[in-house]
Amino acid sequence: GDSVTQMEGPVTLSEEAFLTINCTYTATGYPSLFWYVQYPGEGLQLLLKATKADDKGSNKGFEATYRKETTSFHLEKGSVQVSDSAVYFCALSDPGGYNKLIFGAGTRLAVHP
Amino acid sequence: DAGVTQSPTHLIKTRGQQVTLRCSPKSGHDTVSWYQQALGQGPQFIFQYYEEEERQRGNFPDRFSGHQFPNYSSELNVNALWLGDSALYLCASSFRGSSGETQYFGPGTRLLVL
Repeated sequence: GDSVTQMEGPVTLSEEAFLTINCTYTATGYPSLFWYVQYPGEGLQLLLKATKADDKGSNKGFEATYRKETTSFHLEKGSVQVSDSAVYFCALSDPGGYNKLIFGAGTRLAVHP
Repeated sequence: DAGVTQSPTHLIKTRGQQVTLRCSPKSGHDTVSWYQQALGQGPQFIFQYYEEEERQRGNFPDRFSGHQFPNYSSELNVNALWLGDSALYLCASSFRGSSGETQYFGPGTRLLVL
């Protein structure tokens, strides 16, 4: 079945460091791909999305490119801030179903001053 | 424009009891999906409601049931609670639930089963 694999956390960085969180997926067909962020004690917020191969999603300095050839959707940010500390989830939208989301296990990011 | 709202925010129940969680979708949305997020894990899809019908279901037992009302709001019911049902329950809404449509999540209901 369809699945999403994320790099294990926690990822600990200093402020202004470069961030990469790896995400790979397995799916039949052509899923849409998402990154969601979850701050402590809150629900999920959409960070960015890409709906077809080679699309780049971007928001708040974060970006990710839909790579069909490597089945990947890695999240990057050039300079992280303390306020970026959260759990990040990669997800795919089941292309054979009605927008059911399949999530990775999440990667916790901690940014220190 | 109100986003997705859920109630209650927290709930404590004992084993064997039943619980009902509620969700109001974002304005303009007609599709509601429910997810269970156990501590330290990613959300797992429970089911999706569209036009007051369950349209798709994840790998959850029949103890989990739901309903969608004409105003598109939804309820999640869980019967015969057991300890493993302790989790954050998230509701998400979208328009028509088409593949690729962005789902907007509510803040969740945190359920603790003792």
